[in-house]
Amino acid sequence: QKEVEQNSGPLSVPEGAIASLNCTYSDRGSQSFFWYRQYSGKSPELIMFIYSNGDKEDGRFTAQLNKASQYVSLLIRDSQPSDSATYLCAVNRRNNDMRFGAGTRLTVKP
Amino acid sequence: DTEVTQTPKHLVMGMTNKKSLKCEQHMGHRAMYWYKQKAKKPPELMFVYSYEKLSINESVPSRFSPECPNSSLLNLHLHALQPEDSALYLCASSWQGENTGELFFGEGSRLTVL
Repeated sequence: QKEVEQNSGPLSVPEGAIASLNCTYSDRGSQSFFWYRQYSGKSPELIMFIYSNGDKEDGRFTAQLNKASQYVSLLIRDSQPSDSATYLCAVNRRNNDMRFGAGTRLTVKP
Repeated sequence: DTEVTQTPKHLVMGMTNKKSLKCEQHMGHRAMYWYKQKAKKPPELMFVYSYEKLSINESVPSRFSPECPNSSLLNLHLHALQPEDSALYLCASSWQGENTGELFFGEGSRLTVL
C-alpha cells in the first residue's frame, strides 16, 4: 500500500465548475496535511494545509480532512484555466517526514 | 521570488565528475530537505536535516552525500552518478515542531548525467 494515494487523472472540468481532488494516506499517526500545486517545470507551491478534522476554507479552496477514514480532499470552486496544474497531496507523518502522493493533473477548459 | 535559493539551476555532469548542489534559506527554519523529482512523478524524499543533524535518510545511494554546514545551508555532494540520477533536485525548508511541516521549496536544480 502506498503511503499517500491520489487519482493521477487527468481530471478535466469546465471553467467555473467545482474541481474535486481526493487523497488517502496509510499512516494513522500522520499529523498534518497539505495540498501543493505544481506547474510544469516549476517547484511545488502550497495551496492549503489542514491539521484538524473538518473543513477549512481559503478563498476558492476548501480542504477537508477525515482522520477516521484517512482521507483528505481539496475542492476548487469557480475553477479557472490558471488552476490547470498538478495537485500534490502531502502528509507529514511525524518529525518532518513529509510524503507526497503521485499528484492529480487538473485541466480547466475555457 | 522564492526565499529558498538553490544553485546551480542547471547542471550537466559526466559519470566520473564530482559536483555539488547548494541550498540556502534565511527564514530561520531549522529543518531542511532534499527531494528528487523525475518527470511526471511526485517529489521523493531523500534526506531531512533537523537542527543541522541528519534525521531521515531514505536509503539513498552513497553517491549522494548530504551536508548541513549550518542552519541556513544545505549541500548535496554528487559523485559517480548514473544517467538514471538525472532529475530535478528540490531543496526545501520548514519550521521544526508538531503540527508544522509547510515546506518552502527552492526553484530546483535540474541535473543531467551523461
